[in-house]
Amino acid sequence: NAGVMQNPRHLVRRRGQEARLRCSPMKGHSHVYWYRQLPEEGLKFMVYLQKENIIDESGMPKERFSAEFPKEGPSILRIQQVVRGDSAAYFCASSPFRSRDRGEKLFFGSGTQLSVL
Amino acid sequence: DQQVKQNSPSLSVQEGRISILNCDYTNSMFDYFLWYKKYPAEGPTFLISISSIKDKNEDGRFTVFLNKSAKHLSLHIVPSQPGDSAVYFCAADPNNNDMRFGAGTRLTVKP
Repeated sequence: NAGVMQNPRHLVRRRGQEARLRCSPMKGHSHVYWYRQLPEEGLKFMVYLQKENIIDESGMPKERFSAEFPKEGPSILRIQQVVRGDSAAYFCASSPFRSRDRGEKLFFGSGTQLSVL
Repeated sequence: DQQVKQNSPSLSVQEGRISILNCDYTNSMFDYFLWYKKYPAEGPTFLISISSIKDKNEDGRFTVFLNKSAKHLSLHIVPSQPGDSAVYFCAADPNNNDMRFGAGTRLTVKP
């Protein structure tokens, strides 16, 4: 998973604040996926983006959550008005292409641990 | 709707012995399965996969077995080494963007 950079590693927010999580994919990768891992649960798909496009956001909560992957710069997962239930580890993964083998070509970052007080 | 289940949250084995990690799924539409390994403070890394047209795939010390009728797969590590100590996630790929992960099994290999 070397190469996919996520920051910050740890983020502490109070209820009602905004959280911004950043993900820089591996060089040459134009596909980015965001996953959330709640305590004692597996990773859950949130959103899939290509440069400047949201391809699939079916796993994203309808309110307060948004994601972008601009032409320049990292992908951003934004959570507005955070609540305690948003506390989780958020992982970003990148892939060089959208293919049937993408699971094998999915490279994960080290994650951002969000804690909401 | 936990479609991929890993019922053992933890497993401890002795170095040199076999580790068997189990995974069950409920959706018969899943036709591709993967195992990921995760060390603390790192993201998951791909370990091994299997297509539903096979019942076994082997890569060195790692073998994944698939029993479609039982909707069950398992990962065998033999011989187990202390460096194998990690959390192992089973994942099922329904050929869309929503790859489903199990909750993980923490493997500890004791020297």
